[in-house]
Amino acid sequence: GNSVTQMEGPVTLSEEAFLTINCTYTATGYPSLFWYVQYPGEGLQLLLKATKADDKGSNKGFEATYRKETTSFHLEKGSVQVSDSAVYFCALLYSSASKIIFGSGTRLSIRP
Amino acid sequence: EAQVTQNPRYLITVTGKKLTVTCSQNMNHEYMSWYRQDPGLGLRQIYYSMNVEVTDKGDVPEGYKVSRKEKRNFPLILESPSPNQTSLYFCAIRDRSQETQYFGPGTRLLVL
Repeated sequence: GNSVTQMEGPVTLSEEAFLTINCTYTATGYPSLFWYVQYPGEGLQLLLKATKADDKGSNKGFEATYRKETTSFHLEKGSVQVSDSAVYFCALLYSSASKIIFGSGTRLSIRP
Repeated sequence: EAQVTQNPRYLITVTGKKLTVTCSQNMNHEYMSWYRQDPGLGLRQIYYSMNVEVTDKGDVPEGYKVSRKEKRNFPLILESPSPNQTSLYFCAIRDRSQETQYFGPGTRLLVL
């Protein structure tokens, strides 16, 4: 069945470091892929998405590229800030009529 | 802007005392769903609804009920709560023509 696997946290980095959070998926066909972010005490909100192979989603300095050949959608940011501390969820949507499948989440902490 | 409202935001109750967590939306979206979030387990879908009077079980429906009598509301009912239902609950909405899912702020439930 469809599934999402993301790297376990927590991930702790210093401010201005380079960030990568790995995400791989298993799905038949061509799902849409997402990264959601959950700031402390809040619900999840969409960070970025990509709907087809080789698409790059980007927002707030974060980027992720839909790689069908490696079934991956790794999240990257060139220079993280303390305000990026949050839990990040990778997710896929197989079709508009199906449910979104979430990874288990990766907690990111940024030290000043 | 999509808005999902959940009430209450925090609730402490005792085993066996029926409770309802309400969810309402301002977007007229067809798709609504409930998730629970537990440490190390990510988000797990409890129930979802594709439209009025149409509800289906998600991955962890045991111990929960839902109803969808009108489009904007999707309450989550715990007829006889137990301590293993202590969790953080999120309601979410999605328009079937879009792919972005919008989440409510969460309801933190403690069952003693």
